[in-house]
Amino acid sequence: SQELEQSPQSLIVQEGKNLTINCTSSKTLYGLYWYKQKYGEGLIFLMMLQKGGEEKSHEKITAKLDEKKQQSSLHITASQPSHAGIYLCGAVFTSGTYKYIFGTGTRLKVLA
Amino acid sequence: DTGVSQNPRHKITKRGQNVTFRCDPISEHNRLYWYRQTLGQGPEFLTYFQNEAQLEKSRLLSDRFSAERPKGSFSTLEIQRTEQGDSAMYLCASSSQKRTSGTDTQYFGPGTRLTVL
Repeated sequence: SQELEQSPQSLIVQEGKNLTINCTSSKTLYGLYWYKQKYGEGLIFLMMLQKGGEEKSHEKITAKLDEKKQQSSLHITASQPSHAGIYLCGAVFTSGTYKYIFGTGTRLKVLA
Repeated sequence: DTGVSQNPRHKITKRGQNVTFRCDPISEHNRLYWYRQTLGQGPEFLTYFQNEAQLEKSRLLSDRFSAERPKGSFSTLEIQRTEQGDSAMYLCASSSQKRTSGTDTQYFGPGTRLTVL
């Protein structure tokens, strides 16, 4: 969707390296969700951010939502081959909205 | 809780045939969603149920598509007279409405990959 831009579109990193994926919106976000998708499979929920400046972490993955609530970043520390997959941001723009708008995804490959 | 399940996982059909997919949401989730995902793209919203009521259908959902959730539990998505452009991954998600406002976290199933020859 053009409402959400993800960058980069693809990323290849060496195991152990840190990386960052960005998700940018032209409109203020009410909620921002990060999902991971293995090739050809469903989406696995990672984190949800709603407040400006909010930051959440799970294991080696940290996600932040900027103060203006128009950009989120996903940071992976010391990447592992298990981190490989497609990372998708999904957004909600108003309260009570039930349908997500997704970015096109970032394809991550981690070389052992 | 076993999560959202979808059947079949893969479906290959010939153009013009009808296909039906099933989604079993997480138990007690009252909201159910269908999305479609094509290669290299993020999922696109198709339709949404709250309990048994279908509350919205996307313009992507042509007259050949119909979805039901008869008892507010599992849902089916049927595509009639399939076309090659229908080839995609069809994803189902469910959520639990815990607040009168705000948004729910959606949990996705593994998807059904449809190939129309």
